[in-house]
Amino acid sequence: GAGVSQSPSNKVTEKGKDVELRCDPISGHTALYWYRQSLGQGLEFLIYFQGNSAPDKSGLPSDRFSAERTGGSVSTLTIQRTQQEDSAVYLCASSLNRMGNSPLHFGNGTRLTVT
Amino acid sequence: EDKVVQSPLSLVVHEGDTVTLNCSYEVTNFRSLLWYKQEKKAPTFLFMLTSSGIEKKSGRLSSILDKKELFSILNITATQTGDSAVYLCAVGGLIFGKGTKLSVKP
Repeated sequence: GAGVSQSPSNKVTEKGKDVELRCDPISGHTALYWYRQSLGQGLEFLIYFQGNSAPDKSGLPSDRFSAERTGGSVSTLTIQRTQQEDSAVYLCASSLNRMGNSPLHFGNGTRLTVT
Repeated sequence: EDKVVQSPLSLVVHEGDTVTLNCSYEVTNFRSLLWYKQEKKAPTFLFMLTSSGIEKKSGRLSSILDKKELFSILNITATQTGDSAVYLCAVGGLIFGKGTKLSVKP
């Protein structure tokens, strides 16, 4: 079946603008994760959704970052008033069930460049 | 604070060599340890380990977990240029190491 789909694949925006990044997980996967990967760095956890539970937002770096997951499927990560340090690849992943019990399947990411 | 440390950070070998990548961890609530291979974009899943001492194998790759000493190793035998990638270790779904960049020279 289809894998995790992310859009756009690339986004260039001016400092101060808001951006929305979209993730369409694998059908039937209850868990969804957002990560950020800066050049040459590992994956930085941002937020985790599991079913209908309240999301784990502990990784969000500031209140300019927010995410929602509608209907337990598609998720949108929003960055308000973007800064240059927000430039990174934003990766979304989904897993069949709760964190740690099944492997994550990643999308190809959105490369965000803030000029 | 939970953390995952991978070593070495980078490694250059020649085709046919065997490599061992290391991952140590300190986490408060361990469920599983996962290995991923990242080439250009999406990390792809290699192994999920939950029990100590049980080796998982897939072709030339194998991995094992030691829950007493809190580490895992990923072995790649008879390396090929296609093995060149960043190998990521993660505990559960939240904590990733910085990765080991493996370069295999022909």
